[in-house]
Amino acid sequence: KAGVTQTPRYLIKTRGQQVTLSCSPISGHRSVSWYQQTPGQGLQFLFEYFSETQRNKGNFPGRFSGRQFSNSRSEMNVSTLELGDSALYLCASSFGGGAYEQYFGPGTRLTVT
Amino acid sequence: AQSVTQLGSHVSVSEGALVLLRCNYSSSVPPYLFWYVQYPNQGLQLLLKYTSAATLVKGINGFEAEFKKSETSFHLTKPSAHMSDAAEYFCAVSHGSSNTGKLIFGQGTTLQVKP
Repeated sequence: KAGVTQTPRYLIKTRGQQVTLSCSPISGHRSVSWYQQTPGQGLQFLFEYFSETQRNKGNFPGRFSGRQFSNSRSEMNVSTLELGDSALYLCASSFGGGAYEQYFGPGTRLTVT
Repeated sequence: AQSVTQLGSHVSVSEGALVLLRCNYSSSVPPYLFWYVQYPNQGLQLLLKYTSAATLVKGINGFEAEFKKSETSFHLTKPSAHMSDAAEYFCAVSHGSSNTGKLIFGQGTTLQVKP
């Protein structure tokens, strides 16, 4: 079974631009969660989508948004990029969260200059 | 609110020695607990999980963890370290009474294995 895939793997953007990251979950998984990983803040939860609906949201500004499609693929968008948005963005998929384990993709490394 | 504390940001052991990585959690409801490992430039790989069944949980690569409610701990152990165990390890908690996909992570512990 194919794992979680994320595209692109690396991205360099300029302050003020916007960016869209993509995540394809494991087949059959309906929950997709997004996390931001930085050296200073560690791993922080961004949001979770389940069956095309945002089910949970972390404490991030409205510049961070996401969506999920009917095939469970998910995208996250960051508008008006700031230097502090430079991070590894990880997506994880599971059957439904809770006790179900989450399987992580390799991440997208975003660098904002 | 839930939280996770990993004691020791860096742990160094000799090859063949016991590995002990500490994790304490705070949760107002029975938690689900997870240990993940991250190798450089990769995503997170699940080592093991606790979901209120057996308190001693066995995972992949010889790792195990014991859930101790009285100590609010979920420490990760491995009897004999291998060089390939060198990586960053994360303890995480999720809400035990809902289907939320939100994981709260500890700050991580980097494991160094010396030959």
